[in-house]
Amino acid sequence: GAGVSQTPSNKVTEKGKYVELRCDPISGHTALYWYRQSLGQGPEFLIYFQGTGAADDSGLPNDRFFAVRPEGSVSTLKIQRTERGDSAVYLCASSLERTSDTGELFFGEGSRLTVL
Amino acid sequence: AQTVTQSQPEMSVQEAETVTLSCTYDTSENNYYLFWYKQPPSRQMILVIRQEAYKQQNATENRFSVNFQKAAKSFSLKISDSQLGDTAMYFCAFMKSYNTDKLIFGTGTRLQVFP
Repeated sequence: GAGVSQTPSNKVTEKGKYVELRCDPISGHTALYWYRQSLGQGPEFLIYFQGTGAADDSGLPNDRFFAVRPEGSVSTLKIQRTERGDSAVYLCASSLERTSDTGELFFGEGSRLTVL
Repeated sequence: AQTVTQSQPEMSVQEAETVTLSCTYDTSENNYYLFWYKQPPSRQMILVIRQEAYKQQNATENRFSVNFQKAAKSFSLKISDSQLGDTAMYFCAFMKSYNTDKLIFGTGTRLQVFP
């Protein structure tokens, strides 16, 4: 596709369950970012990939959160033992190179996660 | 640590009029980038405008312009000739120019454009 694709668009799960959120970046974009946006807040940085490796994972809130990008394209954000506080919109973005070089992130429409 | 503050939770403007959205930030860095992003109801964030801190000239993109006051750590967005399609959340964001690509966002301003 032409843009960043995120699936699922909406996910409802029960407390304690495991969840995977997928991001398919724009073809050829080497940098990929995950952000979390809670209700009424701005997006908060979670993790940044350059190629297959996580260049900065300092925003992951705890060890229940993990993200992979095995082939340098599609990325999966994994959340174990979900808690109600994990409810948010999870945004993925990609860029051709480093944001500081190009100045623009291309965002997907996000995955809204609701933990009951 | 860097922080970004948007003190206007909501703003409204009539179509064709001009509106200014405020943003202040706190940093000890000398070189950095500042951004304004638009988020319509579709949730997809779209870059509106970008400013490098080392440039004194204010950035402009068609109807959008910024007033960048480095000493005051202020970065406001002016939207001229407002259009109904400008209705959205607007987020101000900060990024260091080295060592990280982490964007730090403010809490946003909801802009409503009325016909």
